Amino acid sequence: DARVTQTPRHKVTEMGQEVTMRCQPILGHNTVFWYRQTMMQGLELLAYFRNRAPLDDSGMPKDRFSAEMPDATLATLKIQPSEPRDSAVYFCASWSSGANVLTFGAGSRLTVL
Amino acid sequence: GNSVTQMEGPVTLSEEAFLTINCTYTATGYPSLFWYVQYPGEGLQLLLKATKADDKGSNKGFEATYRKETTSFHLEKGSVQVSDSAVYFCALLIIQGAQKLVFGQGTRLTINP
Repeated sequence: DARVTQTPRHKVTEMGQEVTMRCQPILGHNTVFWYRQTMMQGLELLAYFRNRAPLDDSGMPKDRFSAEMPDATLATLKIQPSEPRDSAVYFCASWSSGANVLTFGAGSRLTVL
Repeated sequence: GNSVTQMEGPVTLSEEAFLTINCTYTATGYPSLFWYVQYPGEGLQLLLKATKADDKGSNKGFEATYRKETTSFHLEKGSVQVSDSAVYFCALLIIQGAQKLVFGQGTRLTINP
């Protein structure tokens, strides 16, 4: 059963620290998305890539967030420096255009103290 | 623009009750429509989808019909179970350079025994 794998599942850190979240998309999926979920804002699209190239990162605070896809098996979302308002669950999802299905990972729950 | 509006939650029902969660959309062209479900502590999972007008998506007793004339994709289930307690997201697929899903705000459903 193909799945999107995210690490870490949980992260607690202090304000000002760097946080890196990783995602392994499903093999063969060429579009990868990063979402953030909070109680107040719901599900927000941060950035997405197609064939490893960034297509849209307009949802992402540029001063502290960066998203990359160094190879087809790894996408990263980095926050530096982290702030308490970044506390959320961050989801990675990958897309199969053939089946028109977006598959989500289990999420990385980030708490910034 | 492209957007999805869902019924405000939370929704609380008794077991075996009939469920409707309303979803309407605004989109250019003819989008595909989806319902995703999020169980506690997990990522979003595809529940069902419909790709063209009058299509009916169904899965696990849930159904939704793509109504172009009313721009709606309401989710229904004839007899809910406690295990259906989750957050439900309606979404539409837009293609602008690459596929992107636009999500509604989510509706929290609680089923009491």
